[in-house]
Amino acid sequence: DIQMTQSPSSVSASVGDRVTITCRASQGISSWLAWYQQKPGKAPKLLIYAASSLQSGVPSRFSGSGSGTDFTLTISSLQPEDFATYYCQQANSFPPTFGPGTKVDIK
Amino acid sequence: QVQLQESGPGLVKPSETLSLTCTVSGGSVSSGSYYWNWIRQPPGKGLEWIGYMYYSGSTNYNPSLKSRVTISVDTSKNQFSLRLSSVTAADTAVYYCARTQSGTTYFDYWGQGTLVTVSS
Repeated sequence: DIQMTQSPSSVSASVGDRVTITCRASQGISSWLAWYQQKPGKAPKLLIYAASSLQSGVPSRFSGSGSGTDFTLTISSLQPEDFATYYCQQANSFPPTFGPGTKVDIK
Repeated sequence: QVQLQESGPGLVKPSETLSLTCTVSGGSVSSGSYYWNWIRQPPGKGLEWIGYMYYSGSTNYNPSLKSRVTISVDTSKNQFSLRLSSVTAADTAVYYCARTQSGTTYFDYWGQGTLVTVSS
């Protein structure tokens, strides 16, 4: 299985801050990567697919980049509704695997 | 708008079989455009893909669970189901059903999730 790691595991930030989360795959996955947002008690929500494509309805302050083994999710200006846990997921090979998550909380 | 809804017992005894159903509305499990998946999340932990099924009946399971998992479809009810046998406390989790589009493994629609606790 491809192992996914994320850093940091948690980040404290303020409304308006720029937040960057990093995801690394244990082997190259081209651009087969997704990012999800999960709020407590809710299902994950797809934000970004194919490393940098914004899912329909997702605000443009979210962006993704990277290819191969290293990827980033950036929130350009953090909003109150963005405080959540973010997961990356590789879609290159089976089984699809997720990173351990990065919790973004209020500073 | 596609909606998925999980249902099933919230408590299962050790060594028994966990059975859940996902009812799909606003879309068809018989569509060749989608795969229908199960994913789980132990309390306070990360996400684990369990497996998927395709309308044709073909399936693909996570090797870590393959010996215990069965995913099936009931097209007449627009539902698909998960069975996980010989459960232990380690199988306690929120179980989600989710959709992927053919040719990708991006989970674009999810059910709300259902907590299943394994305990005597």
